[in-house]
Amino acid sequence: EIVLTQSPGTLSLSPGERATLSCRASQSVSSSYLAWYQQKPGQAPRLLIYGASSRATGIPDRFSGSGSGTDFTLTISRLEPEDFAVYYCQQLRAFGQGTKVEIK
Amino acid sequence: QVQLVESGGGLVKPGGSLRLSCAASGFTFSDYYMSWIRQAPGKGLEWVSYISSSGSTIYYADSVKGRFTISRDNAKNSLYLQMNSLRAEDTAVYYCARENSYYGSGTHYLWFDPWGQGTLVTVSS
Repeated sequence: EIVLTQSPGTLSLSPGERATLSCRASQSVSSSYLAWYQQKPGQAPRLLIYGASSRATGIPDRFSGSGSGTDFTLTISRLEPEDFAVYYCQQLRAFGQGTKVEIK
Repeated sequence: QVQLVESGGGLVKPGGSLRLSCAASGFTFSDYYMSWIRQAPGKGLEWVSYISSSGSTIYYADSVKGRFTISRDNAKNSLYLQMNSLRAEDTAVYYCARENSYYGSGTHYLWFDPWGQGTLVTVSS
């Protein structure tokens, strides 16, 4: 069973700053199965990235994904006020525990 | 537009049963695998179960195996989750989600989109 570990647990940043979120798998995984989701309070998760680096329809280009093997990264180039949320990585049918991006 | 709408959540006593439904619209339901994913209060996401497009292949998380049953009715564009022998630890928001699976350049891709708005199941005496 593959375990996904996200870090940090919480990221405190200001609008306009760059956010770098990590997702590490317990063993090598196919990047084609790696996706990222954003979840805001009281809402369902929203797909941001699939295939490790492909943006979903309608997702702004400030969101980007990268990585391979066991290490994957979601980068938000310049945080907008609406980007403060919890982010989850997913590999097949397993999810990481989430990273909360909060306003500093 | 593509939409998933869950229903059937509520308060149930430990040991009780509940049946969740997910109504799909805006896409050809019978073409897609579907999953149930849950989220306990203040916690992360946990995949619960999936069913193939025809209903012939089904998998469950170990935490619900033997207690939950997933099913679908392609004629009604609906997905179901029958939950029996409910426990306090089953308390969560339950989401249905469409599995997007495709082959590109010899590579298989998989992701969940869209998700329903969720239905809350509370197991408490």
